[in-house]
Amino acid sequence: SQELEQSPQSLIVQEGKNLTINCTSSKTLYGLYWYKQKYGEGLIFLMMLQKGGEEKSHEKITAKLDEKKQQSSLHITASQPSHAGIYLCGADGDGSARQLTFGSGTQLTVLP
Amino acid sequence: DADVTQTPRNRITKTGKRIMLECSQTKGHDRMYWYRQDPGLGLRLIYYSFDVKDINKGEISDGYSVSRQAQAKFSLSLESAIPNQTALYFCATSVGVREGRTGGYNEQFFGPGTRLTVL
Repeated sequence: SQELEQSPQSLIVQEGKNLTINCTSSKTLYGLYWYKQKYGEGLIFLMMLQKGGEEKSHEKITAKLDEKKQQSSLHITASQPSHAGIYLCGADGDGSARQLTFGSGTQLTVLP
Repeated sequence: DADVTQTPRNRITKTGKRIMLECSQTKGHDRMYWYRQDPGLGLRLIYYSFDVKDINKGEISDGYSVSRQAQAKFSLSLESAIPNQTALYFCATSVGVREGRTGGYNEQFFGPGTRLTVL
């Protein structure tokens, strides 16, 4: 079965700083999904990257997919307190789009 | 109104009790999922359903059962709750495969979660 490892597990940054979260898969990535979760709430879809070295941006958040490394990175530019939360990556491990496997999440704290 | 709703939002129960968590959606999606979230373990899939007659076990289905009463409703039951089932439970929906450049994809929409505590 596919496993997704996220790093770091937690991150504390000062407001205005840039940061990167990584998601590495044990198998080929057919689709990589990034979600954000505020404490005690549901997951909000951020963006999805498909196989092919794709890069997408949403406001100040950019995600890239490196298919050779079986890895995706999420980069936040000029972080704000509103960026705080848990970021989870999810992947379609076999290309069937039947289900997603999720990483354990990265807890981001942004200090004002 | 929220597209995916879960009831109850919080529940405290005792070991051995039967518990039902309910999920309703107004998105018109065929696919529905139940996950549990534990600290440090991310989300793990319990059951998923692609339509009313199609129900599948996920990674951790033991101790759980589900019912898809209608396209819009998907319930999760714990027949005899035990303390290690204490977790945050999420329901999700998906429209199903939409063809992308390199194949189908499966964007999922999540409910707000149910915090279950089994004493």
